Amino acid sequence: AQSVAQPEDQVNVAEGNPLTVKCTYSVSGNPYLFWYVQYPNRGLQFLLKYITGDNLVKGSYGFEAEFNKSQTSFHLKKPSALVSDSALYFCAVRALRAGNNRKLIWGLGTSLAVNP
Amino acid sequence: NAGVTQTPKFQVLKTGQSMTLQCAQDMNHEYMSWYRQDPGMGLRLIHYSVGAGITDQGEVPNGYNVSRSTTEDFPLRLLSAAPSQTSVYFCASSYSSGGDSNYGYTFGSGTRLTVV
Repeated sequence: AQSVAQPEDQVNVAEGNPLTVKCTYSVSGNPYLFWYVQYPNRGLQFLLKYITGDNLVKGSYGFEAEFNKSQTSFHLKKPSALVSDSALYFCAVRALRAGNNRKLIWGLGTSLAVNP
Repeated sequence: NAGVTQTPKFQVLKTGQSMTLQCAQDMNHEYMSWYRQDPGMGLRLIHYSVGAGITDQGEVPNGYNVSRSTTEDFPLRLLSAAPSQTSVYFCASSYSSGGDSNYGYTFGSGTRLTVV
């Protein structure tokens, strides 16, 4: 069965420090992987995706994510955190060849707090 | 472009009442979906549509109906509201059902529903 885990409910980081939000997945075959961000009282916004190619994917707002097939992980990173990055972050996955079942499986979210 | 527009933003219903949550998109997306977001539960798919006239059930369809008569609109109907349907509801659309286009899913800003 497909699944996504975000092992940390909350991540705290000081402004200017690097941040990492973790995601691990389980899927049959090769995965499509996604990160979304949700600011307070807003809908989710697409940050980035991995389908194939370079394991380091760059996305919006200076975020990037690293795909690691051996560790089945897709951690979200940013070299220097901003207070405005404080939000809820969701990882999602689906199988690359899912036939008719192309629905995304979502993680439960990680709350990122960037302290001034 | 307005993107995905959801109305109303807030709603309070009494148990047993019915109502329709509206969702409209102006991006000519074929795929539209409804999610509910509850604390500790993440995002759960209620219903989805891969084009006008085509709808299907997601993970938690009971108590909800949908229809897709046009590409632009995808209303969600609560037939007889129950307190368990208290949640934040998000509509999302995309060019692709798998969310793997360059822009991923576009989400509306949500409807916060309380059933008393």
